Amino acid sequence: AQSVTQLGSHVSVSEGALVLLRCNYSSSVPPYLFWYVQYPNQGLQLLLKYTSAATLVKGINGFEAEFKKSETSFHLTKPSAHMSDAAEYFCAVSVDNNDMRFGAGTRLTVKP
Amino acid sequence: DAGVIQSPRHEVTEMGQEVTLRCKPISGHDYLFWYRQTMMRGLELLIYFNNNVPIDDSGMPEDRFSAKMPNASFSTLKIQPSEPRDSAVYFCASRRGFGYTFGSGTRLTVV
Repeated sequence: AQSVTQLGSHVSVSEGALVLLRCNYSSSVPPYLFWYVQYPNQGLQLLLKYTSAATLVKGINGFEAEFKKSETSFHLTKPSAHMSDAAEYFCAVSVDNNDMRFGAGTRLTVKP
Repeated sequence: DAGVIQSPRHEVTEMGQEVTLRCKPISGHDYLFWYRQTMMRGLELLIYFNNNVPIDDSGMPEDRFSAKMPNASFSTLKIQPSEPRDSAVYFCASRRGFGYTFGSGTRLTVV
């Protein structure tokens, strides 16, 4: 079955610094990959998705992620962190767009 | 669109009581999912429906859990009897195409 591993349960960056959240996937067939963001007491919101088109995917709020098959990775980046980016981020994988498996999440803290 | 609507937002109940969680998906979405989120286990898929038909309920933890989708605009997740270990945030999500839209969740506390 497919799965994802998020490296680092907590990441702290300064405002204006690069954000890098790591995700590695495992799948026996070409996967669909997603990043979601969760703010306190809210549901998950889709940031971006990879569905086998372009390997560099741009999402909302200035985030992007690159699908690297050779590294089985789908890391999330943002060039310059903003205070409003503080939240929990989840990587997810699916092979049929139904049985979506989520990572454990990475809590991003942005320091002023 | 109002998004995926879940009710109640918070539920506190005593062990042994029946609990019913409700979800209204986005109009036109043909898939509906129920997830449970806990600190220990993260996000777990419990069950999903396609066109109101349950497709995969292998994630439902026990027979105490049941889910129904009587029509395209309503689904329920029922726990009977509830136990303290059922305490979690339960999310409903719906989709048409890629990517899910999640509701705000129901925080269930069983005491």
